[in-house]
Amino acid sequence: GQNIDQPTEMTATEGAIVQINCTYQTSGFNGLFWYQQHAGEAPTFLSYNVLDGLEEKGRFSSFLSRSKGYSYLLLKELQMKDSASYLCAVSSGGSYIPTFGRGTSLIVHP
Amino acid sequence: GAVVSQHPSWVICKSGTSVKIECRSLDFQATTMFWYRQFPKQSLMLMATSNEGSKATYEQGVEKDKFLINHASLTLSTLTVTSAHPEDSSFYICSAIDTGEGTYEQYFGPGTRLTVT
Repeated sequence: GQNIDQPTEMTATEGAIVQINCTYQTSGFNGLFWYQQHAGEAPTFLSYNVLDGLEEKGRFSSFLSRSKGYSYLLLKELQMKDSASYLCAVSSGGSYIPTFGRGTSLIVHP
Repeated sequence: GAVVSQHPSWVICKSGTSVKIECRSLDFQATTMFWYRQFPKQSLMLMATSNEGSKATYEQGVEKDKFLINHASLTLSTLTVTSAHPEDSSFYICSAIDTGEGTYEQYFGPGTRLTVT
C-alpha cells in the first residue's frame, strides 16, 4: 500500500511564499501529482513530477526527491484566491491511478 | 484541456431510493473513467474504475451491488447508488484520463453532492 502524509492546515499572508510538504512511502513509484481543490469543487491539476528536481510553472513550483520520498509545492506571491485544499497524490506499481493524500487546507489572509 | 461533466451537480433523495449520477467526457473519448467519493475534510477515495464495454473494477470495501457502474460508451459512465442511506451522503467525483495526451493527467468532473435524508 501507500502512505502519504501532508500537513492538515497552513496559513499564510497575501503576497508571501508558502511551501506545502508531502512525504510518501510506496513501492514501484511512478510519479507524484499536486492538485488544487476549492471547497465544493473538483480538483484541478497543478503538476506532475516523475524525476528529481524542481519544476516551475508560473507562481507555482513543485519539487521531488525520489530517494527521500519527499515533495513540496511552492506557492509564490500568494493571492486570496489561493485559499484552497492542496492534494498530493502518488501513482505507483505500474498504475497511473494515483492515491490521494488527505490534502492541506491553505488559508491566505490579508 | 479536456472537459468532464457530471450531472446532477447536487441531489437530495430519501433513504431507500436510488440515485443515478452521469459522467461525460465532452471533447475526448475515455475508455476508462474513475469514480471517487469524498467526505468533508477527507481525501478523495477511489471507489471503482469504470471500463468501457466491460465490468467495473471495485476497490476493496466498496459494495459493487450497491454502487452500480455502467460504462456504455466511450464518453459516458454512470454511477447508481442503490437503496441509498444517510451514510451514503457524500461528494461523488468522476474523472477520466485523456490517454491521447500521454501525460496521464486526470480530468475531474465538477462533482455531485448527494444528500440522503
